[in-house]
Amino acid sequence: QQQVKQSPQSLIVQKGGISIINCAYENTAFDYFPWYQQFPGKGPALLIAIRPDVSEKKEGRFTISFNKSAKQFSLHIMDSQPGDSATYFCAASSSSYKLIFGSGTRLLVRP
Amino acid sequence: DSGVTQTPKHLITATGQRVTLRCSPRSGDLSVYWYQQSLDQGLQFLIHYYNGEERAKGNILERFSAQQFPDLHSELNLSSLELGDSALYFCASSPGRVMAEAFFGQGTRLTVV
Repeated sequence: QQQVKQSPQSLIVQKGGISIINCAYENTAFDYFPWYQQFPGKGPALLIAIRPDVSEKKEGRFTISFNKSAKQFSLHIMDSQPGDSATYFCAASSSSYKLIFGSGTRLLVRP
Repeated sequence: DSGVTQTPKHLITATGQRVTLRCSPRSGDLSVYWYQQSLDQGLQFLIHYYNGEERAKGNILERFSAQQFPDLHSELNLSSLELGDSALYFCASSPGRVMAEAFFGQGTRLTVV
């Protein structure tokens, strides 16, 4: 019940396209859902986060869509660029303090 | 730059040895979290400290221990090292007790040979 399931494992998108990464959770106590971006050799960097009281949050080219009833949330990267090529992790947390991470999606944006 | 500092960046050591990884949180952050990242296990939570006190433990081995000092920096001690302990070890910090707005350091890459 503490798991966060992430898909796909890897994703190849052409420059200018839309990248979509999906996550699902079971624990209804989760109340904070961030996405992290990680480049090789670097630590995960907080990209965007959402709480369950809203269904969508947009920051620049990055959008989180949240479906509370389905217990799913997704990251959309609009106008994907080669510089977006990285590994993306979804995560979830509650008052249990820690973040539970998905298994990661390796995104490659082709020029 | 996340503001979280981890040292050393790389560490190579032999099996059976003991190492200490250090983390300085962002200024003002009271919580420090340690995570292990290996290829087949993803990001696994190890332990959380808040203002010097242990708050939560994850799948941390008994050979591993951590502490947070009065100046809020934290150390992760790994002993009796095994080949399988080779991984990236990250610390993250956040302002409060919950892991919201958490920022990660660059990590320490540990290689056990």
